[in-house]
Amino acid sequence: SQTIHQWPATLVQPVGSPLSLECTVEGTSNPNLYWYRQAAGRGLQLLFYSVGIGQISSEVPQNLSASRPQDRQFILSSKKLLLSDSGFYLCAWSVLDSFYEQYFGPGTRLTVT
Amino acid sequence: AQTVTQSQPEMSVQEAETVTLSCTYDTSESDYYLFWYKQPPSRQMILVIRQEAYKQQNATENRFSVNFQKAAKSFSLKISDSQLGDAAMYFCALRTQGGSEKLVFGKGTKLTVNP
Repeated sequence: SQTIHQWPATLVQPVGSPLSLECTVEGTSNPNLYWYRQAAGRGLQLLFYSVGIGQISSEVPQNLSASRPQDRQFILSSKKLLLSDSGFYLCAWSVLDSFYEQYFGPGTRLTVT
Repeated sequence: AQTVTQSQPEMSVQEAETVTLSCTYDTSESDYYLFWYKQPPSRQMILVIRQEAYKQQNATENRFSVNFQKAAKSFSLKISDSQLGDAAMYFCALRTQGGSEKLVFGKGTKLTVNP
């Protein structure tokens, strides 16, 4: 069966520090991968998605970036965090033969102080 | 652009009763998929039910069913025999065929189940 991992689960970082959040998927090949951010009391905002290694599409302009160095690994990064980067970050995956539904990881709660 | 609207920020239901959560959407596509996701206090998003737009029959998963009205662009979720474990945020989502591989989410409805 497929599983998705995210780490760390919780992170507190000062403004201006770098960020690296990691997501890995097991049990499937060539998945589409997604990064979402959820602000408190809000819905999900798609940040990035990837349909293959090295292929990244950005949905919103921001100081975050994403990379996909391996088929089942998706990384969210920032060189300098802003207070507005605080939130709950969710990684998700989908494959074509699953009717496009997305399956989500447990998420990372990021607090920028 | 596709949009999803959930007009009920909060709902409550008595245990064992039935509740319906509303969702409307807008898309110019004729072929698309609709989903309901549940986000319990643990914050992990869980897929509840899926509906393909080309199917007229409403989807059902155990105690969860949808009322899909394509002409009205409405996609409501009915939870029967509500249980305490159903308490969560519920998000409606839309995915269109072709183009980018992404879901558009509504802002969610917080469901409280009273014992």
